[in-house]
Amino acid sequence: QSALTQPPSASGSPGQSVTISCTGTSSDVGGYNYVSWYQQHPGKAPKLMIYEVSKRPSGVPDRFSGSKSGNTASLTVSGLQAEDEADYYCSSYAGSNNFVFGTGTKVTVL
Amino acid sequence: QVQLVQSGAEVKKPGASVKVSCKASGYTFTSYYMHWVRQAPGQGLEWMGIINPSGGSTSYAQKFQGRVTMTRDTSTSTVYMELSSLRSEDTAVYYCARSYSPMRLDWYFDLWGRGTLVTVSS
Repeated sequence: QSALTQPPSASGSPGQSVTISCTGTSSDVGGYNYVSWYQQHPGKAPKLMIYEVSKRPSGVPDRFSGSKSGNTASLTVSGLQAEDEADYYCSSYAGSNNFVFGTGTKVTVL
Repeated sequence: QVQLVQSGAEVKKPGASVKVSCKASGYTFTSYYMHWVRQAPGQGLEWMGIINPSGGSTSYAQKFQGRVTMTRDTSTSTVYMELSSLRSEDTAVYYCARSYSPMRLDWYFDLWGRGTLVTVSS
């Protein structure tokens, strides 16, 4: 199972928006609505930010939103804040009890 | 409180095995599937497999088939991940991560352990 493809980096100024793409195939992202996104700060465990494509767990700010079109999912962070600077990973169920993460995107707040 | 506490760092020689533990507390252990995820230094996340703490059934990523074994001990609310035939490329932080929904196999993880660093070096 190949990793989902994400851009290595993305950036924006405070208050701006940044969108991260996550490209898979019809066997993973395109085939299921089990797409999720994780935020990871250096030296910390990942934190669930979005699940089932666009749902937010309790406590996650509504500045974070998710969507999907075909084989590509996206995470948008609106109103960027300094604490949003982190690595972000998408993930997807890939059928037959298989699962795959994305390659990861480093978000920099300028 | 609700948490997953993992065992401490390990240093192993190539060819050896390692067994990492993950002790759950603050919730009903058998109600949530548990996953294992690893992250090599400076690299991305990699899913290894899943265990149902209730019945003990498992499913492993193809890459680790034959080398990984996940087990659980319901008496201590602990899951284990054992990886054998270690090589340098297995040097990574190993995380346990709980499935989001109780009594349901889902594919997102809302509770993570702090990770266990396994270093494979001769």
